[in-house]
Amino acid sequence: KQEVTQIPAALSVPEGENLVLNCSFTDSAIYNLQWFRQDPGKGLTSLLLIQSSQREQTSGRLNASLDKSSGRSTLYIAASQPGDSATYLCAVRDTGGFKTIFGAGTRLFVKA
Amino acid sequence: ETGVTQTPRHLVMGMTNKKSLKCEQHLGHNAMYWYKQSAKKPLELMFVYNFKEQTENNSVPSRFSPECPNSSHLFLHLHTLQPEDSALYLCASSQDELAGSYEQYFGPGTRLTVT
Repeated sequence: KQEVTQIPAALSVPEGENLVLNCSFTDSAIYNLQWFRQDPGKGLTSLLLIQSSQREQTSGRLNASLDKSSGRSTLYIAASQPGDSATYLCAVRDTGGFKTIFGAGTRLFVKA
Repeated sequence: ETGVTQTPRHLVMGMTNKKSLKCEQHLGHNAMYWYKQSAKKPLELMFVYNFKEQTENNSVPSRFSPECPNSSHLFLHLHTLQPEDSALYLCASSQDELAGSYEQYFGPGTRLTVT
């Protein structure tokens, strides 16, 4: 059974700092891994989607990597801003049953 | 309207009430999903529809009844709910559920409170 873990659960950093969020999964048989952002009480906004054949994806200040063999992904945020404060979720699309399994998220707070 | 919309955004209902949540996607997608997000728990997949056919029921209690009349609309009918069903209910869509590489797009959610 696929399990997705995100570490740390919460993170507070000063503005301008570069930071890394971690996501690990137990079964490497995945179609893709997707990173989302969720603001309090709101829906999810897709940030990056990495297919199982890819190693990384970049969008602006965000870079996500995928190491399928070790069951790990990282989301790198460069030059963090207060507007980056949100909960970041990773989700893997399992090849067994096509289910999407979410991690519990990392709550990020960027201090001005 | 663009993307994925959900109505109502907030709903308070008693345990004996019957209500429905509505989701509509304007992305031309063929797969739609219902998720439940409870406090301090990861998102849980509830139902999946692909080309209007239900392909996944993740052991959801029968007091939740989904309906997908076409690829653009998805409903979640609620009846005799329990207080522990209070949560944020999220709808999502993707190009095609069976082509696992497709990206999911989420609506803003309906905040449900059961009293």
